[in-house]
Amino acid sequence: DTGVSQDPRHKITKRGQNVTFRCDPISEHNRLYWYRQTLGQGPEFLTYFQNEAQLEKSRLLSDRFSAERPKGSFSTLEIQRTEQGDSAMYLCASSLTGSRYNEQFFGPGTRLTVL
Amino acid sequence: DQQVKQNSPSLSVQEGRISILNCDYTNSMFDYFLWYKKYPAEGPTFLISISSIKDKNEDGRFTVFLNKSAKHLSLHIVPSQPGDSAVYFCAARTGTSGSRLTFGEGTQLTVNP
Repeated sequence: DTGVSQDPRHKITKRGQNVTFRCDPISEHNRLYWYRQTLGQGPEFLTYFQNEAQLEKSRLLSDRFSAERPKGSFSTLEIQRTEQGDSAMYLCASSLTGSRYNEQFFGPGTRLTVL
Repeated sequence: DQQVKQNSPSLSVQEGRISILNCDYTNSMFDYFLWYKKYPAEGPTFLISISSIKDKNEDGRFTVFLNKSAKHLSLHIVPSQPGDSAVYFCAARTGTSGSRLTFGEGTQLTVNP
């Protein structure tokens, strides 16, 4: 399977704990995005990378959130001191600059539940 | 500020009929629009897109119409099939490549056999 993969698929944690999610994009894609989706809403943009550079961050991305893409391949999203409001589906997407439709390809998501 | 809105949370149609999903936007800087389909437990899947310089794009059973003056786009599926039952998201972006997508809330389409 050469699509976007995310790990873990589900994460249950207690409030105050730190969690880290991983995303592996489609191998030749140079852009990688993180989105968050809550129930009844569409995905909301969090941040994106072009290669290893983080080019844009949403104001939704509080100081407790940090994302990295150290070698321009996989990315991690860490949430420190989780809160119940962080419970959501975290989606990763990748794209290739200059592709025909410039569409973003999404992974299956990581569902986070904060108790 | 919800810049992309899908005002119908759900739509139910009979197999073989046309499904029309609607989307409105407020940001006149949007110049590229996309539709995604999402099945449960999967990520959104790209369906079809349209540039703001066009008013129609067709791909098989799927056609997207863009009315820039009304800041409105619609997705037509004809004929509708039960396998089309999913949540459909309208998304928009500024720039020509790679920037953030702004999504609507989604419309749950149910196609009844």
